Amino acid sequence: QSALTQPASVSGSPGQSITISCTGTSSDVGNYNLVSWYQHHPGKAPKLMIYEVNKRPSGVSTRFSGSKSGNTASLTISGLQAEDEADYYCCSYARSSAPVVFGGGTKLTVL
Amino acid sequence: EVQLVESGGGLVQPGGSLRLSCAGSGFTFSTYAMSWVRQAPGKGLEWVSGISANSGGSYYADSVKGRFTISRDNSKNTLYVQMNSLRAEDTAVYYCAKDQKPYDASAPLGDFDIWGQGTMVTVSS
Repeated sequence: QSALTQPASVSGSPGQSITISCTGTSSDVGNYNLVSWYQHHPGKAPKLMIYEVNKRPSGVSTRFSGSKSGNTASLTISGLQAEDEADYYCCSYARSSAPVVFGGGTKLTVL
Repeated sequence: EVQLVESGGGLVQPGGSLRLSCAGSGFTFSTYAMSWVRQAPGKGLEWVSGISANSGGSYYADSVKGRFTISRDNSKNTLYVQMNSLRAEDTAVYYCAKDQKPYDASAPLGDFDIWGQGTMVTVSS
């Protein structure tokens, strides 16, 4: 059960768009439309931002969107705002004895 | 209000044991798979263990298999994890998390819509 692969950091200026990638395998990301994305501010509980690849929970800004191609999922944040600065984690279902796997996390810096 | 509240964290010596609890409220606890997720200092999120809504299936990361046991008491709306043979690398904030959709016998799917505030476990002599 290897962690999904994310870039360690990304950055962007207010108003810009950024994309965070999440690469898995055909056993997880590539085989199931069960990819989620979490926003995590230090000292707080993680927050679900995207589920089932591209669905937004109620209350999450439309600036957040998700997609998937093959074994790689992506989170795009448009119109960057200062409050978007946080750590972001992807997560996928994997049909195995350990059915949930997280990515290593990406630190987003808003310049 | 839908919420999860963890308890039971603390300082324990290597090789020791600890049991964490997670009390759910504001939702029908018995219909959702539940999980424990941890974050070691300076590290990312790591899924640790999960259990189906009806306790029919329990699941573990390789890093804790054989040492941790997850359970739940739906009559008390409470999730547990018994942690034995603790190691320094188990030091982390432990969160409990609820799956978004209700399924009786499903394994956790990873779409955690509600999280607890976390409880700190420190393994050190």
